[in-house]
Amino acid sequence: LAKTTQPISMDSYEGQEVNITCSHNNIATNDYITWYQQFPSQGPRFIIQGYKTKVTNEVASLFIPADRKSSTLSLPRVSLSDTAVYYCLVGAGANNLFFGTGTRLTVIP
Amino acid sequence: GAVVSQHPSWVICKSGTSVKIECRSLDFQATTMFWYRQFPKQSLMLMATSNEGSKATYEQGVEKDKFLINHASLTLSTLTVTSAHPEDSSFYICSARDNRGSQETQYFGPGTRLLVL
Repeated sequence: LAKTTQPISMDSYEGQEVNITCSHNNIATNDYITWYQQFPSQGPRFIIQGYKTKVTNEVASLFIPADRKSSTLSLPRVSLSDTAVYYCLVGAGANNLFFGTGTRLTVIP
Repeated sequence: GAVVSQHPSWVICKSGTSVKIECRSLDFQATTMFWYRQFPKQSLMLMATSNEGSKATYEQGVEKDKFLINHASLTLSTLTVTSAHPEDSSFYICSARDNRGSQETQYFGPGTRLLVL
């Protein structure tokens, strides 16, 4: 069971790049790393998922070092609508996804 | 991404009644679904894993007789909160595991707000 550690909160100005790092020292060989975004009173929304190195999609990039003990979610040019809680989860197969505290990102005008 | 729906989106009930919440995977089949509960300002807590055609697996501290889970088809799991009490008021969220790609991905429903009076 991989436990994740993230900063509790972060602030950023509009238009800046935001990097949120997550530690998962006990990640298992088969575990994937998945990031979700959650707005109040909504279910978590899938952002990006990766296993190693770098993954990029239309909304974010995910950087994973070779030892996979951490990962960094990168949000380019954030806007006010990116204010949300971001969760990093690890797991796969029999390893269910357990949520940590998440990172509350506040984007400031 | 895949789509997971929940019904109802919110429900108010009297103490002692039972409430059923449905979770559906709309565009994929899910042999495994999950039920979470979230209290205000807190993270999601996994309640149970729902497996199609077999009994659910409950996390420690979750009463299986109070939170009945049925996963009768590959696209539907239901959570029934039996004899609900005010302390059961919470935001219930389901998710479904999508195995179609090279990586397993879990997609979440929009959540169901339960208020027990």
